Amino acid sequence: EVQLVESGGGLAQPGESLRLSCVASGFTFSNYAMAWVRQAPGKGLEWVSGISGGAIGIYYADSVEGRFTVSRDNSKNTLYLQMNSLRVDDTALYYCAKVDRLPFTRGITLEYWGQGSLVSVSS
Amino acid sequence: DIQMTQSPSSLSASVGDRVTISCRASQNIINYLNWYQQKPGKAPTLLIYAASSFQSGVPSRFSGSGSGTDFTLTINSLHPEDFATYFCQQTYITPHTFGQGTKLEIK
Repeated sequence: EVQLVESGGGLAQPGESLRLSCVASGFTFSNYAMAWVRQAPGKGLEWVSGISGGAIGIYYADSVEGRFTVSRDNSKNTLYLQMNSLRVDDTALYYCAKVDRLPFTRGITLEYWGQGSLVSVSS
Repeated sequence: DIQMTQSPSSLSASVGDRVTISCRASQNIINYLNWYQQKPGKAPTLLIYAASSFQSGVPSRFSGSGSGTDFTLTINSLHPEDFATYFCQQTYITPHTFGQGTKLEIK
């Protein structure tokens, strides 16, 4: 059974940093791309970042480019999102999701999702 | 970035009704279009991929169609568990943008 468990969220002040982790199980982690998607309270889904299985391909939304860094440790079955220079509008529930294939290419699907980690940014 | 626009933003319907949700892309995305369902307090789940292909386990009352810029999700004979929010997502080019969502409510 595929399981994705996010952690690392919490309360931060504007300008501060947080690092989210997503521990994966139930599949060969290194064989699949992964993604981060966020959802502000009461709002829709926003794609944040994607990373291929071997971390060769890395992609970001414009809203986080230069502030957030996605990475993965395939030996620990863990996906990370380092969030720097946090802003109030980064407040959201952050989901990690398993992609259906190794490369981050056209036509991918987010076939499994974690339950999310809540990040609140406020002064 | 490709903009995805769903309509309507909300929809009231009754059990047994047939409903249609539209999703329009700001440029041609061929058929790189996925549909997700999200229930309150839960993570989204994949319903349809490549515009019209069913994810395993999705009931046959759900169907997707379209290509290019215009896509449709149809639910035939609504069941009580279908009342949720639906999102389209393009995976033609990053960022893989989502539509703003369509909330399907019980009339």
